[in-house]
Amino acid sequence: DSGVTQTPKHLITATGQRVTLRCSPRSGDLSVYWYQQSLDQGLQFLIQYYNGEERAKGNILERFSAQQFPDLHSELNLSSLELGDSALYFCASSSPVAKNIQYFGAGTRLSVL
Amino acid sequence: AQKVTQAQTEISVVEKEDVTLDCVYETRDTTYYLFWYKQPPSGELVFLIRRNSFDEQNEISGRYSWNFQKSTSSFNFTITASQVVDSAVYFCALSEFRGSSNTGKLIFGQGTTLQVKP
Repeated sequence: DSGVTQTPKHLITATGQRVTLRCSPRSGDLSVYWYQQSLDQGLQFLIQYYNGEERAKGNILERFSAQQFPDLHSELNLSSLELGDSALYFCASSSPVAKNIQYFGAGTRLSVL
Repeated sequence: AQKVTQAQTEISVVEKEDVTLDCVYETRDTTYYLFWYKQPPSGELVFLIRRNSFDEQNEISGRYSWNFQKSTSSFNFTITASQVVDSAVYFCALSEFRGSSNTGKLIFGQGTTLQVKP
């Protein structure tokens, strides 16, 4: 168990809808990262937050947004969903105390029908 | 640009065979980190090892060993005496160094699917 919790584990929704994925980092970790894993694109970095502030952005679509709250949990919001957004979404967290290694949650599998 | 290449898409071995997973990376940074992660059939990503660019010592952990060669930009992973439980997708990843507060994003290779048959 990595200590990173992601909910829900599975999400099935329809095109055009909006969903929110939630991530609770390991206790004390200030950095949270979001990644998308799809068959055609592989594992790709979406966005990073550090102590509530956006730190780095990858190829995240404008329809996607994220935030990190004062209690350090993070949410990834996906809107106007398309079939191609079906993927496994991972959250990871890291801390200097743990050598800045990114530990991953179990992921949220999103299916857009 | 940073890039990680895992040329082996799939490898199949019989239990107890040794197997090496190749990883080649590209970066212009002088300071960076290299990682290996394992993704078993259950889907989670499990951290295996981190190596920084200044440390070229090979590392061994039980049946696992890693060979980092800066001269060839490679960070290969060997499993000795493979077991069925080693069946998984293995990812090599690269990240830039961002200072003591955090590391940069992970850039992953495409992964190597290892199947260990009994």
